[in-house]
Amino acid sequence: EVQLVESGGGLVQPGGSLRLSCAASGFTFSSYAMSWVRQAPGKGLEWVSRISGSGGSTYYADSVKGRFTISRDNSKNTLYLQMNSLRAEDTAVYYCAKDRYTISPSYMDVWGKGTTVTVSS
Amino acid sequence: EIVMTQSPVTLSVSPGERATLSCRASQSVSSNLAWYQQKPGQAPRLLIYGASTRATGIPGRFTGSGSGTEFTLTISSLQSEDFAVYYCQQYNNWPYTFGQGTKLEIK
Repeated sequence: EVQLVESGGGLVQPGGSLRLSCAASGFTFSSYAMSWVRQAPGKGLEWVSRISGSGGSTYYADSVKGRFTISRDNSKNTLYLQMNSLRAEDTAVYYCAKDRYTISPSYMDVWGKGTTVTVSS
Repeated sequence: EIVMTQSPVTLSVSPGERATLSCRASQSVSSNLAWYQQKPGQAPRLLIYGASTRATGIPGRFTGSGSGTEFTLTISSLQSEDFAVYYCQQYNNWPYTFGQGTKLEIK
């Protein structure tokens, strides 16, 4: 069974840092690009970042560029999102999602259940 | 950035009837358009990709159509489990962008 399990969310003060993880199983992790998508309370979906299967190409939404870093460890089948300089507007449920393709832009065919990040003093 | 606009924001339909949801792109996205369903407290679920191809396990009552800038998701004969929020997403250009969602509620 294909499965994605996020962890690492929590309460953090503005300006703080947090690292999210996403453990993948049931598929050849390195063969697929992976994305992070977030959803603020009561709001819609916002794509945050994407990394190619090899990890060699990364993409970011303008809202997080320069503050967030996506990475992956294909030996551990794990995706990461390092979040620095956090702001109140980063408060959201963060979903890890598997992209359909390795490199080319694509839809997201498998989603984790999400981890909640709250930025507040 | 491509802006995706969904209409209506809320759609009230009776069980057994048909629902038609619209999604418009600010510029052409070819057929690189996906639809997702999200129920309260759950992650999104892929319904349609390539504008019209149903994902694995999605019932035949879900039909996607359109290309370019205008897209439609039709749900024939609504079942109780279909009442949810639906999002479209373009993957033709960076960044990926989602519509704001259409909430399908029971009339």
